[in-house]
Amino acid sequence: GAVVSQHPSWVICKSGTSVKIECRSLDFQATTMFWYRQFPKQSLMLMATSNEGSKATYEQGVEKDKFLINHASLTLSTLTVTSAHPEDSSFYICSAPSWDGEETQYFGPGTRLLVL
Amino acid sequence: GDSVTQMEGPVTLSEEAFLTINCTYTATGYPSLFWYVQYPGEGLQLLLKATKADDKGSNKGFEATYRKETTSFHLEKGSVQVSDSAVYFCALEGSGGYNKLIFGAGTRLAVHP
Repeated sequence: GAVVSQHPSWVICKSGTSVKIECRSLDFQATTMFWYRQFPKQSLMLMATSNEGSKATYEQGVEKDKFLINHASLTLSTLTVTSAHPEDSSFYICSAPSWDGEETQYFGPGTRLLVL
Repeated sequence: GDSVTQMEGPVTLSEEAFLTINCTYTATGYPSLFWYVQYPGEGLQLLLKATKADDKGSNKGFEATYRKETTSFHLEKGSVQVSDSAVYFCALEGSGGYNKLIFGAGTRLAVHP
């Protein structure tokens, strides 16, 4: 089946720095990718929809200047957490819609961010 | 708004035991319902789905029936294996179509030999 990778799998950074997380579709092209955030013992919350060649669409309550999304190619989307603070510590997961007719998304393994 | 509620885990079972993970939802209309599974170190994978009332989704011995009367989509398996140990997420299709999934909090299942 289709594979989506994320890099890094975990990252620790100092407060005030920026962190970039990559999401790649390894064997298919994805004009759309999705970014989710998951707090401990809570649901995955959709943050934004990443669109190749155009601006990302953010969900209500998500700061677009805080979470910069760039869909640089048909296989790569990046999420940059700018001026990170401890409250940004979380598990970030990306996904890409299926291309084989199944109504589903293919998910990356997630990136755990810890801001000190 | 739309929401999904799952039973809290962890659920700990012995091999070959019967599994039920409860899931209820709140939604306008009749959205498609999904169960995703996340094995350690891997991304979420679609386990099964149901697109309309009374549909039964099934895969790998797991089943779930779309019950609109009780707004539920409980996951069941008759005989679990150690390899079923994972986190299970119930989800519904939000108003944005399958691109927009609303997830429950996830239920961790641990199966012991």
